[in-house]
Amino acid sequence: DAGVIQSPRHEVTEMGQEVTLRCKPISGHDYLFWYRQTMMRGLELLIYFNNNVPIDDSGMPEDRFSAKMPNASFSTLKIQPSEPRDSAVYFCASSRDRTALSTDTQYFGPGTRLTVL
Amino acid sequence: TQLLEQSPQFLSIQEGENLTVYCNSSSVFSSLQWYRQEPGEGPVLLVTVVTGGEVKKLKRLTFQFGDARKDSSLHITAAQPGDTGLYLCAGEVTNAGKSTFGDGTTLTVKP
Repeated sequence: DAGVIQSPRHEVTEMGQEVTLRCKPISGHDYLFWYRQTMMRGLELLIYFNNNVPIDDSGMPEDRFSAKMPNASFSTLKIQPSEPRDSAVYFCASSRDRTALSTDTQYFGPGTRLTVL
Repeated sequence: TQLLEQSPQFLSIQEGENLTVYCNSSSVFSSLQWYRQEPGEGPVLLVTVVTGGEVKKLKRLTFQFGDARKDSSLHITAAQPGDTGLYLCAGEVTNAGKSTFGDGTTLTVKP
């Protein structure tokens, strides 16, 4: 199994530009999570999907952020327009469907390091 | 306000020493996970605990879930340089559908 795949690994862009981050979850996983990690705020959950449907987007900071999951094997996180304060490492994670007795075991991708100048 | 408080924030020790890091909350969790994250990589799951008072061992690492399921600890015996990394705890509040992460403990083990 290739694990969670994210692209690009690094992105440097200028303020005001559109940024699109991509994620391929582990096959068979029904949950997909987008996180942002910074030194100041740690690891923050932005949004998560279950069976391609957004369940909770309360962590999305502003309307400039949007996420989609058109099918079970692909998701995007878009920032438009980007700002310097969006600079962070963005992680995608996936997990299996959960029963009442199972636990939230998430497998993380390697992350995308975004720098907005 | 951080739902999960981790302490200490930073810890630097010599190889061979023992250490304990803590994860505390006022909330009850249905499960709690510990992750280790190395520079340039995503967090990797170490263990999941689900029962109050549960103790799990993973080689030199011992994880304990508090009786009330509000806190947890990670104890490392005879630390090695390979244990260096960011240790994160994450808890799932019952029926919340998502996990909340602590700020982490950055551990440095010097040879």
